[in-house]
This record gives sequence, C-alpha cells and structure tokens, in this order.
Amino acid sequence: RKEVEQDPGPFNVPEGATVAFNCTYSNSASQSFFWYRQDCRKEPKLLMSVYSSGNEDGRFTAQLNRASQYISLLIRDSKLSDSATYLCVVNSDSSNTGKLIFGQGTTLQVKP
Amino acid sequence: DVKVTQSSRYLVKRTGEKVFLECVQDMDHENMFWYRQDPGLGLRLIYFSYDVKMKEKGDIPEGYSVSREKKERFSLILESASTNQTSMYLCASSPHRGGSNQPQHFGDGTRLSIL
Repeated sequence: RKEVEQDPGPFNVPEGATVAFNCTYSNSASQSFFWYRQDCRKEPKLLMSVYSSGNEDGRFTAQLNRASQYISLLIRDSKLSDSATYLCVVNSDSSNTGKLIFGQGTTLQVKP
Repeated sequence: DVKVTQSSRYLVKRTGEKVFLECVQDMDHENMFWYRQDPGLGLRLIYFSYDVKMKEKGDIPEGYSVSREKKERFSLILESASTNQTSMYLCASSPHRGGSNQPQHFGDGTRLSIL
C-alpha cells in the first residue's frame, strides 16, 4: 500500500463548479498535512496547510479526518486558472527530519 | 519570500559524465532535499540533509551522491550519468522547527537529459 494515495483523475469540471479531492495516508502517526499545487512543467507550490479543525482560504477548504486517515480539498466556484495537479502531502514520521511524502497528484481541468 | 535557486533549468549531458546539480536557498533553512519527478511516478526522494555535512539517503539514492558543505547550498552529484537518470530534478528546503514538520519550498527544477 502506498503511503499517500490519491485518485489521479483527471477531474474535468465546468467553470463555477465545486470539486472535491480526497487523499488517504497510511501512517497513523503523521502529524503534518499539506496540499500543494503543481502546474504543468513547473515546481510544486504550497497551496495550504491542513489543520485538525479544518481550514479555509478563500475558495479552498481543507479538512482532516484522523480516524479514517484521509484529508480532503474542496474548491468552490472553480476558475480556469485552477487547472493544475494537486498534490497531497504528509509528513513521513515523527522524527522531525522535515521529510515529507508526496502523493502522485490529482489532475484538475476546469473547462469554460 | 523563500527563494530556492537551482543552477540550471535545462541541462544536456552524455552517458558516463559526472554531473553536478546545485541548489542554493536564502532563508537559512536547516533541511534541504533532492527529488526527481517522472511521469506516473510522482516525486521520489533521492537524498536529504538536515544540517551542514549531514546527509541521509532517500528512497532512490543509487547512482547519486550529495554534498552539503555550507548551510545554504546542497549539491546533487550523478557519479556516472546514465540514460535512466533523464528526469526533472527538484530541490527543496524547509526550516527545522521543533515539534512539527514545516512545508517544503521548491526551486524551479532542472530538466536533465542524458544522451
């Protein structure tokens, strides 16, 4: 089983739609969770951290479910510019080495 | 803003050459990482370093080595380049703050082709 699993998609949605991605992780000791965005042929960029109580940043909402070991990302009112690959990221252990595990990503295509 | 700079965006080398990829960060981060990214395989960790002169193997260290002589600089070395090392190489850094893992910040990446 992969440490971080995501549905690769692609998710094809019209502009203005609401779309949600889930990600599961295998290490119950994981403490830090992030969503990154990666545009085609570019580097990954931090989109948002995911906090235990859930958090929102504009049109983006991230949630964590520790019992079921998954995190989610909800995008409301999708824009064409949201088209990208979204990477789910989890810290790999509790040793504070800074090591993170990246999912393979979910591709989103927002259509006019 | 954190700035992670990789020395080259595109690089073409020949099989058997020794290849150096350089990465510099300007935020005094303790942790630095080298990944490669290939279609369908995602990001794979090659080596990382949590302090000067310290290095740890990642998931795919074979054929690579690293050097961290100064805090801001982390070099990836392909000892004898092979065609299966053609890939996108990404450097990242993060601060070490006790008690939590911080997000990593990436450089622009180096597209390396081995002919």
